[in-house]
Amino acid sequence: GAVVSQHPSRVICKSGTSVKIECRSLDFQATTMFWYRQFPKQSLMLMATSNEGSKATYEQGVEKDKFLINHASLTLSTLTVTSAHPEDSSFYICSADGLNQINEQFFGPGTRLTVL
Amino acid sequence: AQTVTQSQPEMSVQEAETVTLSCTYDTSESDYYLFWYKQPPSRQMILVIRQEAYKQQNATENRFSVNFQKAAKSFSLKISDSQLGDAAMYFCAFSNYGGATNKLIFGTGTLLAVQP
Repeated sequence: GAVVSQHPSRVICKSGTSVKIECRSLDFQATTMFWYRQFPKQSLMLMATSNEGSKATYEQGVEKDKFLINHASLTLSTLTVTSAHPEDSSFYICSADGLNQINEQFFGPGTRLTVL
Repeated sequence: AQTVTQSQPEMSVQEAETVTLSCTYDTSESDYYLFWYKQPPSRQMILVIRQEAYKQQNATENRFSVNFQKAAKSFSLKISDSQLGDAAMYFCAFSNYGGATNKLIFGTGTLLAVQP
């Protein structure tokens, strides 16, 4: 149980295009999902917290208009990187909670984004 | 604001030996959760062990155990009988108890190598 999937696992796009990454909780309903960014050999940096049916809460320094987050259902959240540039190349990870009361998050396998 | 510090960027251990990874944190809260997550080369985040701050007993999961010192704000991870599959990046994480969201605050990570 508690499986979180991400799609796609890898994406390469041209500079200026937009890319959508999906995060799904497969066997549970997630009231809250989180989006992280991870650079090579570094820790996870929380980008935003996404609650179903409401606007996402972004961390300080994260551009809301660049990283659009939608949490339309209890099993799906999407991150859209708009007008991507090479500096947006990174590993993006989502996680979900809502399964229990002990604050445990269940992580997706991540998406590697490369912007040419 | 809460912070999590991992002072060991890299550690190495011989197979079958024991290794301890250090983690300290700073918070003014009295109730919270602490976690150790493992990130192998696949980059899938895996929960290793968790500790509720209100519990005095140290958490144990098979070969993994913690030394939780609440007054010292220390939360170290001990891996016994190390195996080659334990080689990974290990992240210590903090989460507040209750509240609107279950945000995880990660440390910078410790890269563990296991020598055969």
